[in-house]
Amino acid sequence: DTEVTQTPKHLVMGMTNKKSLKCEQHMGHRAMYWYKQKAKKPPELMFVYSYEKLSINESVPSRFSPECPNSSLLNLHLHALQPEDSALYLCASSQDSSDWVDTQYFGPGTRLTVL
Amino acid sequence: GNSVTQMEGPVTLSEEAFLTINCTYTATGYPSLFWYVQYPGEGLQLLLKATKADDKGSNKGFEATYRKETTSFHLEKGSVQVSDSAVYFCALSLSGGSNYKLTFGKGTLLTVNP
Repeated sequence: DTEVTQTPKHLVMGMTNKKSLKCEQHMGHRAMYWYKQKAKKPPELMFVYSYEKLSINESVPSRFSPECPNSSLLNLHLHALQPEDSALYLCASSQDSSDWVDTQYFGPGTRLTVL
Repeated sequence: GNSVTQMEGPVTLSEEAFLTINCTYTATGYPSLFWYVQYPGEGLQLLLKATKADDKGSNKGFEATYRKETTSFHLEKGSVQVSDSAVYFCALSLSGGSNYKLTFGKGTLLTVNP
């Protein structure tokens, strides 16, 4: 089973709202990722968690706040977003090993619209 | 730095035609190579991968061979179907401290007509 699930599938929010995106995997993977994908572009890495610790933050604005409550769950808290933050937000996971190259498995994404 | 170059799309084919999507890379070290597919309105799915030179990845009738001498990983399918219409991304990743980072190509939109 190589399934990563994400909720919600679609989200519409105003610029003053606070919302959260959720991601879950039960593959025993220890690395989890958030990506942002704009239309007709490849995904852009935002954050990486390794063993529940933030490993990479690709200079993402503070209005995006990631959280990894346990090894299976990854959240992305959203606050005071801008219309240009509208995009598909993808979660991914991988085994996390320094000995070989990990394969990342992606979820279906959350389509976010900021009004 | 590391980079992936894919053929520019869109690519439009008739059903049962032969497909090639070219992908070349530059990398410091020995990367693993991936093809991901994104169907309309969905996330990315791993289509196939190869981790060392001369490896052939295959899945669902698609194939790609890791060619170190030409730094290429071209995607091929002998007979495409309407259901193969999607965006295809070539990507590379390196082991060790950089193994969290996938470097993607820009993607190639494939449309297959009946």
